[in-house]
Amino acid sequence: DGGITQSPKYLFRKEGQNVTLSCEQNLNHDAMYWYRQDPGQGLRLIYYSQIVNDFQKGDIAEGYSVSREKKESFPLTVTSAQKNPTAFYLCASRSGFSYNEQFFGPGTRLTVL
Amino acid sequence: AQSVTQLDSHVSVSEGTPVLLRCNYSSSYSPSLFWYVQHPNKGLQLLLKYTSAATLVKGINGFEAEFKKSETSFHLTKPSAHMSDAAEYFCVVSDDSNYQLIWGAGTKLIIKP
Repeated sequence: DGGITQSPKYLFRKEGQNVTLSCEQNLNHDAMYWYRQDPGQGLRLIYYSQIVNDFQKGDIAEGYSVSREKKESFPLTVTSAQKNPTAFYLCASRSGFSYNEQFFGPGTRLTVL
Repeated sequence: AQSVTQLDSHVSVSEGTPVLLRCNYSSSYSPSLFWYVQHPNKGLQLLLKYTSAATLVKGINGFEAEFKKSETSFHLTKPSAHMSDAAEYFCVVSDDSNYQLIWGAGTKLIIKP
């Protein structure tokens, strides 16, 4: 059963702590994306990766970091430098043959206390 | 540069009546366009996509959208609303130069019994 998994579904952290969100896909897609969603706003792109061992900053990369050591995995670290990290985080992937359609995971809701 | 404007932040209709969610885009060339749906605290699901084939696109759950180049619009419609259609809907345009998606701010669809 192919798809994208994100874990955990809910995450609570204290202010000043780094936290890593997991994203795994078994769709054999080359490209992967991380978005942030805040109430009343569309999705904003944090980072994306078109290929293993390569990634680019999106529109709101400050305070975040990523790695892409394997095709299947694209973890996102929310660092203490991110001023307002409480949000819903969505991971997506894209095949090279799908007219840019992206497939989404179920999301992780991060709350910083 | 591409952009997307969803003209209504909220749309409220009665069950069994037609749905119209409006979207205008700006693009310097013929774009790929998408509608995604998001149910509360869930990931995003593709409803339909336009990729320069037929201008009237049929999607899942009885939704369809018409690409009108002269009006730069891609409005989403459904003949008869169902309670399960209550969700947030996003209109999206693809930037084919870097495979990124440009997201509208979303329209929350409310279905009255």
